[in-house]
Amino acid sequence: AQTVTQSQPEMSVQEAETVTLSCTYDTSESDYYLFWYKQPPSRQMILVIRQEAYKQQNATENRFSVNFQKAAKSFSLKISDSQLGDAAMYFCAYRSSQGGSEKLVFGKGTKLTVNP
Amino acid sequence: ETGVTQTPRHLVMGMTNKKSLKCEQHLGHNAMYWYKQSAKKPLELMFVYNFKEQTENNSVPSRFSPECPNSSHLFLHLHTLQPEDSALYLCASSGPYNEQFFGPGTRLTVL
Repeated sequence: AQTVTQSQPEMSVQEAETVTLSCTYDTSESDYYLFWYKQPPSRQMILVIRQEAYKQQNATENRFSVNFQKAAKSFSLKISDSQLGDAAMYFCAYRSSQGGSEKLVFGKGTKLTVNP
Repeated sequence: ETGVTQTPRHLVMGMTNKKSLKCEQHLGHNAMYWYKQSAKKPLELMFVYNFKEQTENNSVPSRFSPECPNSSHLFLHLHTLQPEDSALYLCASSGPYNEQFFGPGTRLTVL
């Protein structure tokens, strides 16, 4: 079974600085999808960024980018120019690409605090 | 607004009550999900529905009963719950690129 590990329960960053959240996963599959979700205090889970394992290029969405290291099974999230609104729980998630397997496997999350 | 709505947003119920949670998605997706989110635990997948058919039941106690009348609606019927069932219940639907879109959740408290 696949597992997702987020080794940093909490992180903090100064406003306008850069922070990297770590995520590692375990799988025997070669093709899969990885996601980062954000859950602000309002509790609505929001998709931040996605990565297909077959793509070597790291995904980027504005200030959010990933460092996908397939061999190391690592999928870190970098937030540049951090803003107060970035404060939230961040969850890393894995999804198999096998047909009929739609479920996401989530890590335990990292709580990010942004200091003004 | 992600296109996935959930009602009610908050629910307090006694252990002998029967209540239902409702989820509706306006995104044209074919798969819908129920998750349970408890404090200091990873999200726990409860049920998966694909084209109205249940494709996964993650060993959920029978006091939780899902219903999916069509691809846009998903219910979670609750009866004789326990205090440890208090949690945030999240509904989600799958997008075309395999991502899941979540609703705002229902905060359930069982007294």
